[in-house]
Amino acid sequence: QSALTQPPSASGSPGQSVTISCTGTSSDLGGYNSVSWYQQHPGKAPKLLIYEVSQRPSGVPDRFSGSRSGNTASLTVSGLQADDEADYYCSSYAGSNNRVFGGGTKLTVL
Amino acid sequence: EVQVVESGGGLVQPGGSLRLSCATSGFTFRYYAMNWVRQAPGKGLEWVSAISDSGDGTYYADSVKGRFTISRDNSKNTLYLQMNSLRAEDTALYYCAKELSSTRCVGSCYYYHMDVWGKGTTVTISS
Repeated sequence: QSALTQPPSASGSPGQSVTISCTGTSSDLGGYNSVSWYQQHPGKAPKLLIYEVSQRPSGVPDRFSGSRSGNTASLTVSGLQADDEADYYCSSYAGSNNRVFGGGTKLTVL
Repeated sequence: EVQVVESGGGLVQPGGSLRLSCATSGFTFRYYAMNWVRQAPGKGLEWVSAISDSGDGTYYADSVKGRFTISRDNSKNTLYLQMNSLRAEDTALYYCAKELSSTRCVGSCYYYHMDVWGKGTTVTISS
C-alpha cells in the first residue's frame, strides 16, 4: 500500500492553468478507473473534485478537469482563482478493497 | 442535508484504546459503504479502513491491521472505529467519509470515491 506520488507544490497566476500529476502503478492508479481528486482548504475537510478519473460531481466548476495516461493521472485547474489555493490529493483503488492517497500538492495562486 | 459527524477523539497514552463514532443523517446509511481516513498534523491524507454496507466486509490499511476494528450499526445510522494498542504515529485528525455510490445503484455506479466528509475528530497519543 505505497502512497501515490504527487509533486509537493504547484503554482500559477490568476487566470492561468495549472496541472498537478499523480503517479502510481499498474496495481492501483493504472489498473482501475476509481481515481479521485480532493481539494482541502486549510482547517477544512476534503472535498471531492473529480471521480472515476474525469467525472465532476454536481457543483464542481468545469474549470477542474481530470485525465489519465498509463500510470499517471492529472488534475488541471483552468482560469485559476484565488480560492483555488488549497491542498490537492489524488486517490485510487488499489485492489483487495484497499484505497491509497497521494502525498498531496499545495497549490499557490501567485 | 447529507451529514456525517465524528466524535470520540481525545488524549490517550501509548498502548491505550479509543472508540470513534460517526453519526450520519440525510441518506440511507445501510445502502452505503463507509470509510475512515486520517490526517496526521501537517501531513497528507491516509486511508485507514472501510466497511461494506452490511458490515460483512471490513478492510484495513497495513498500518492499522490487527489493532483497529471498523464496525457499523445500521439501526442507529452510525459508524465506529475501535482503536487498540495505540501508538504515537496514530496521532491524527480522523475523518469519516461516505462512499459516492450506493450499493443499490443501478446504471452508472462509481465505487471507491468519498463524497461526504465530516469535520473530523482529533486523536492524540502521548504519555
